[in-house]
Amino acid sequence: EAEVAQSPRYKITEKSQAVAFWCDPISGHATLYWYRQILGQGPELLVQFQDESVVDDSQLPKDRFSAERLKGVDSTLKIQPAELGDSAMYLCASSRELTYEQYFGPGTRLTVT
Amino acid sequence: GDSVTQMEGPVTLSEEAFLTINCTYTATGYPSLFWYVQYPGEGLQLLLKATKADDKGSNKGFEATYRKETTSFHLEKGSVQVSDSAVYFCALSGQSGNNRKLIWGLGTSLAVNP
Repeated sequence: EAEVAQSPRYKITEKSQAVAFWCDPISGHATLYWYRQILGQGPELLVQFQDESVVDDSQLPKDRFSAERLKGVDSTLKIQPAELGDSAMYLCASSRELTYEQYFGPGTRLTVT
Repeated sequence: GDSVTQMEGPVTLSEEAFLTINCTYTATGYPSLFWYVQYPGEGLQLLLKATKADDKGSNKGFEATYRKETTSFHLEKGSVQVSDSAVYFCALSGQSGNNRKLIWGLGTSLAVNP
């Protein structure tokens, strides 16, 4: 069964450093999502792509966060500089065009020290 | 705006007990409804879904029925196992063009004791 791939699974970084996460969606899924999930809470959508275009980035802190999906396949989410409050699980999900089901990767657990 | 309300946890049950996790929603139109499960340290997995009123989603012994008259989508399982210990999230789909945004509940933690 196809899965969403994410790397790394765990990342520890110091405050003010740059950090990047990678996601490879299920083949054929045109829509890709990045979420942030703080421990004990539900996911918060950061950015949504349709192919290579951003559909929704209204909750993305654009002063420090950036996301790209240059060829409409895999995607990178970057934080620069990282802050203590960025410690969270970062989840990637994908879905087929015109469907509502989202399939999630295993996530990247970020700890900022 | 659209919203999802779940019963607060944690829920603690003994193995083989009956499980109900309540979920109600507020939405315009006819949203699709989902239950996702998150096992410790892992990402979210789609557990079941329903796309129209009176649909029943089911998977792995879990069931939920889309009740438009009560705007509810309660999750049930007749006999829980220790391996069902996880956090369960109810969600609905937004309906605004190409934006397939999911609106999430806060999650309900379930612990099943042997």
